[in-house]
Amino acid sequence: GNSVTQMEGPVTLSEEAFLTINCTYTATGYPSLFWYVQYPGEGLQLLLKATKADDKGSNKGFEATYRKETTSFHLEKGSVQVSDSAVYFCALSGGSEKLVFGKGTKLTVNP
Amino acid sequence: DTAVSQTPKYLVTQMGNDKSIKCEQNLGHDTMYWYKQDSKKFLKIMFSYNNKELIINETVPNRFSPKSPDKAHLNLHINSLELGDSAVYFCASSHPRDHGNTQYFGPGTRLTVL
Repeated sequence: GNSVTQMEGPVTLSEEAFLTINCTYTATGYPSLFWYVQYPGEGLQLLLKATKADDKGSNKGFEATYRKETTSFHLEKGSVQVSDSAVYFCALSGGSEKLVFGKGTKLTVNP
Repeated sequence: DTAVSQTPKYLVTQMGNDKSIKCEQNLGHDTMYWYKQDSKKFLKIMFSYNNKELIINETVPNRFSPKSPDKAHLNLHINSLELGDSAVYFCASSHPRDHGNTQYFGPGTRLTVL
C-alpha cells in the first residue's frame, strides 16, 4: 500500500537557518503530494502541494518539488523564523482519496 | 466564515460513556473524513463519506459510528468509550476532482477518557 516516510526529528534550528525536512513516498500510480503544518494547540493547515511530477509547491517561503525519479518531496525554507515552530506532516493522496501521512517532524526555531 | 468546524473543541468524559463529535463544512465539498491523531501525533484515516455514502472504513472498532445527515455534515458517535480512545479527532473535507484531492481540516476535538 501507499506509505510516507519523513525524518522524525525533532529538529532544532536558530533563526535564519536553512531548513530541510526529508520526505519520501511509496505509491502506485501518480499520487498528489502535500505538506501540512500543525502549530501548537491548533489543527492542520495545508502548507503546499504538488499534483504531478516536477511540480513545485510553495507558500510562506517554503518550497517542495515533486521528484518522481527519487520518490521524494522534501520541504525547504531558506531562512526560518521563530513563528515557523510547528509540526510538519508530509502526506500523499492516491486513488483511494484518503490521505496517508508521515509521522510528523517537530521543528523548534530559537531566537 | 469558518470552512470546516467541529464541536466540541475539548471533551472530557468517563470510561463507558457515549459521546458525539459534530463536524460541518461550508465549502460545498462532496467528501468528508474523520482522522485520529494519537499521543505521538500520528494521523490515521478512520472514515470517509462521499455525498452521505460511506466509502472508507479503516478497520475502526464498531463502537465508532459515523453519521452523515447531509453532505455538509459528518458526525462521529462513540459508544462505550475506552481509555485508548483518548486522542485528537480531526474532521476534513475535499472535492475529489479539485487539485489532487486537497483536504481541508477542522480545528480538532481533543477527547480525554478518564
